[in-house]
Parts: sequence; structure tokens; C-alpha cells
Amino acid sequence: GAGVSQSPSNKVTEKGKDVELRCDPISGHTALYWYRQSLGQGLEFLIYFQGNSAPDKSGLPSDRFSAERTGGSVSTLTIQRTQQEDSAVYLCASSSLTNTHIYGYTFGSGTRLTVV
Amino acid sequence: DAKTTQPPSMDCAEGRAANLPCNHSTISGNEYVYWYRQIHSQGPQYIIHGLKNNETNEMASLIITEDRKSSTLILPHATLRDTAVYYCIVRFIYNQGGKLIFGQGTELSVKP
Repeated sequence: GAGVSQSPSNKVTEKGKDVELRCDPISGHTALYWYRQSLGQGLEFLIYFQGNSAPDKSGLPSDRFSAERTGGSVSTLTIQRTQQEDSAVYLCASSSLTNTHIYGYTFGSGTRLTVV
Repeated sequence: DAKTTQPPSMDCAEGRAANLPCNHSTISGNEYVYWYRQIHSQGPQYIIHGLKNNETNEMASLIITEDRKSSTLILPHATLRDTAVYYCIVRFIYNQGGKLIFGQGTELSVKP
């Protein structure tokens, strides 16, 4: 597609439930990133995928968070047993390694997760 | 990647130039300066980047001091739509695919 697509755009879930957030990167982009942004806060890095390499999971806040990227394209971020502090906007970005210096990263519009 | 320091907020009159400073005094010779902005309720948007020469594109100009310890992003004719949080990020030149680390940025308010 023309841009990075995220779904759903909004998600309200009950505390303790599991949620899955989806990211469709720009076609051909080999690098994919997940960030989250709590209300009034900056962007917090979560995880980074690059091609077939092992993902950089250094930003995942707990073992309730996991992500996968199938076929080098679509990625799913899963949060198990959601807590109220997980409420945030979850942003996905992708980049082409050969063009990162030219075009930077392209971000999606995010998924706003509210845990009640 | 080197740390950056930006003022938390700035105001600018519509139609005037907005000059957003960034301090990166520990930058190394192999690190680029990147600027992104985030308009309310949207994902961050790439603006411009540079290594040591001044750069200009259709969105902005980037002025990097000769010692590379600071830079200024210039929006030549700010509009209300330029109201956003602006992030200055320093990143290793060969770290093409690595993660970007965002600081708190500068919240720019363009006023009529």
C-alpha cells in the first residue's frame, strides 16, 4: 500500500483480556518497528524486526508483550492479560534499509488501546 | 547514539520563520542529525536529516554548526498546520535499520 496501515484504529478492552494489534508495512520495506505512546508522553521503543534477523526485543516492558512478523511483511503485537497501564497509542513504522537515509521511517496512524 | 537536548516548548507567529534549536554536544563524526515531527493524533513524520552540511528540502532547512554540537531546524514560513511536537534525534551513520530513540521534543505552537 501507499503507507503503513494499522488496525484497529481504536480498541477498548477489559482488564485481563488479550489483544492483538496489526501492522501492514509499506510493501518492500524490510525493517518494521513498534512503539507506544502513553497520554502526554514521548515515544517508547518496543521491538524492531529486520529481514530474517532475530528481532530486537529490548524495549518490550514485560513478558505479557510479544510480537511476530510473518513472511517478512505483516506484524502482530500481542498483549496478554492487559492492564490499565497498557493504555496507550501503539505506533508501527517501517523503513527500507537502502533508503532510510533518504526517506526516514514511515509511521502509521497508530492503534489507540484503552484498557478499562 | 548521542543524547539531544531541546526546549520543551516554543511559540511562533503564523507566517514567520520558526527556528527550533537542538543541542547534541556529544555527537560523534559518524552520527547523523534527524528531525521528525508529530502532529496531534498522528504518527511521527520524517522532516529532514544531515551530517555536517546544511540541508534544505520542501519542508524545512537544517543548519548544523561547524563543530556539529548543535543544529537548528528552520520552517521558513510557519503555518497553523505546523503546530506539532518536533523531535531532534542523533543516530549512527551505519545504523541504517536500527531503532530511533525519541526524546521529549519541542512542542511548537504556531499562533495566528
